[in-house]
Amino acid sequence: QVQLMESGGGVVQPGRSLRLSCAASGFTFSNYGMHWVRQAPGKGLEWVAVTSYDGSNKYYGDSVKGRFTISRDNSKNTLYLQMSSLRPEDTAVYYCAKDRMGYGGNGFDSWGQGSLVTVSS
Amino acid sequence: SYELTQPLSVSVALGQTARITCGADNIGSKNVQWYQQKTGQAPVLVIYRNDNRPSGIPERFSGSNSGNTATLTISRAQAGDEADYYCQVWDRSAAGVIFGGGTELTVL
Repeated sequence: QVQLMESGGGVVQPGRSLRLSCAASGFTFSNYGMHWVRQAPGKGLEWVAVTSYDGSNKYYGDSVKGRFTISRDNSKNTLYLQMSSLRPEDTAVYYCAKDRMGYGGNGFDSWGQGSLVTVSS
Repeated sequence: SYELTQPLSVSVALGQTARITCGADNIGSKNVQWYQQKTGQAPVLVIYRNDNRPSGIPERFSGSNSGNTATLTISRAQAGDEADYYCQVWDRSAAGVIFGGGTELTVL
């Protein structure tokens, strides 16, 4: 079955960088768009970024544009999120999610368990 | 920017029908997805493309979308349906995914 496993979260100081990884298995990773979605403590879901199946197209939410970079390595079945210039408001659980097809207009049919990122001095 | 509006909370009696709405300008022209998120767990897709259920989702869950409102309907509500529910669309003009603010469903 589909499995998505995030890693790389932790506590980081404001202004610093952090990279999240999401290891995928149970499906042909290189055929699907992949997303990052985050959820601040006690808050709702916020979409962060998407990459197309081959990495050629990437889109970002307004709150992270210019600071975060989504990427993928299809040879390693792994999705990444490079986060820089981190702010306290970036504190959240970060989920990777598999797109049913395309960029999000058809839903995310599998999610990881999430990785907590805490931005604090 | 495009916004999806959901009620903060909805209550339903055990065994009755719950309806959760998602309002936005001309949302009927978009594909709407619905997710269920129980406390401490990752979201689960329960409806995609307005009215389609993924495998494993009970027939009690159904969706509709027309005009300015999309609706998730949960028939014969069970205690296990208590969760937060989020609607979601792809906004082509903004090239981004939009989530509604979420609705907390309570089964009485």
